[in-house]
Amino acid sequence: DSGVTQTPKHLITATGQRVTLRCSPRSGDLSVYWYQQSLDQGLQFLIHYYNGEERAKGNILERFSAQQFPDLHSELNLSSLELGDSALYFCASSSRGLDEQYFGPGTRLTVT
Amino acid sequence: GNSVTQMEGPVTLSEEAFLTINCTYTATGYPSLFWYVQYPGEGLQLLLKATKADDKGSNKGFEATYRKETTSFHLEKGSVQVSDSAVYFCALRPNTGGFKTIFGAGTRLFVKA
Repeated sequence: DSGVTQTPKHLITATGQRVTLRCSPRSGDLSVYWYQQSLDQGLQFLIHYYNGEERAKGNILERFSAQQFPDLHSELNLSSLELGDSALYFCASSSRGLDEQYFGPGTRLTVT
Repeated sequence: GNSVTQMEGPVTLSEEAFLTINCTYTATGYPSLFWYVQYPGEGLQLLLKATKADDKGSNKGFEATYRKETTSFHLEKGSVQVSDSAVYFCALRPNTGGFKTIFGAGTRLFVKA
């Protein structure tokens, strides 16, 4: 158990809909990262937040947005969903001064 | 820019065979290097890391040595088990320019009994 929690575990929705994925980092970790893992694209970095502020953006679509709240949990919002958005979405957290990231179990999103 | 290249899979081995998964990187300066493992249905877990040249990371019988001269961080294990079947990701974290971790494409390992 990494200490990072993600909800929901599975999500099935239709094209055009909007969903919110939630992540709670390990106790004390200020950094939260979001990744998308699909079969053909591998692990893609989406966005990084540190203590409530956006720090880095990767290959995140304009239809996607994220935020980190004062209690340090984070939410990833995916809107106008397309079939190609079906993937595993992972959240990871890390502690200031440490290099490694701790990953949650992921949310499997299926868009039908 | 920074990048990680690892050998394509899948790699299929018999139990007790020797494992090598190659990983090379491109980066300026002295990045930290990692191997993560993803077991079926789970998230990634840190397997081992090295933060400077000639450091050897080790865990659960796996080893990797940070080779600056060849820009490599190959993963090795002397005797694999069926339970080692997973996807292995090599990754680097630069020490400048934003600190974003760069992951390789992953190498799937199958170990047969």
